[in-house]
Amino acid sequence: DEQLVESGGGLVQVGQSLTLSCAASGMRFGGSGIHWVRQASGKGLEWLGRIRTTANNFATSYAASVKGRFTISRDDSKSTAFLQMNSLKTEDTAVYFCTWGFDFWSGYFKIWGQGTLVTVSA
Amino acid sequence: QAVLTQPPSASATPGQRVTISCSGSSSNIGPNAVSWYQHLPGTAPKLLIHNNNQRPSGVSDRFSGSKSGTSASLAISGLQSEDEGDYYCVAWDDGLTGPMFGGGTKLTVL
Repeated sequence: DEQLVESGGGLVQVGQSLTLSCAASGMRFGGSGIHWVRQASGKGLEWLGRIRTTANNFATSYAASVKGRFTISRDDSKSTAFLQMNSLKTEDTAVYFCTWGFDFWSGYFKIWGQGTLVTVSA
Repeated sequence: QAVLTQPPSASATPGQRVTISCSGSSSNIGPNAVSWYQHLPGTAPKLLIHNNNQRPSGVSDRFSGSKSGTSASLAISGLQSEDEGDYYCVAWDDGLTGPMFGGGTKLTVL
């Protein structure tokens, strides 16, 4: 079965850093881009950014809300993607999801992880 | 902040039909396909509709999608209690150069 598992969430203080991992199994990991999405408590889903494939030079793009603070990377040899989060703020408290592949022509994310909770305390 | 506009809430009684709208622009819904997700607490979002009106295998035919111009909608017929949850539309945004979510609609089955 195709599966994504996020890890690395936890409690951190304002200003600290945290790196989340997204481990994949059952799919050709390197064949699609990886996106990160989050949901803060009581709020909606928010797209954070993506990293493309090696064929696209691992190009990245980010939402304005996290650009400059968050960095997405991937290690295709380990079928794992990462979300490095720096200068964390209380408003970054959320459940973070990774997704594998966005089908542009049909407009949907192909595979989702179950999410990992990040809590940023003041 | 979402630029795909959804009503924050919707409600109906069991057996009724409910429609959730998603309003966008010429940089997202206008030129690009729309998908719809159901999201329940503690779970990954579940794909209900892709490519505006296509249901993935295993999704009930009570769910249907449509798109016209820069707006899309999700209809749920024969409403059931297990349909309660949050619903999101998604479309690629050419300005963002990434997928964009609607603000979400909380569906309550009365």
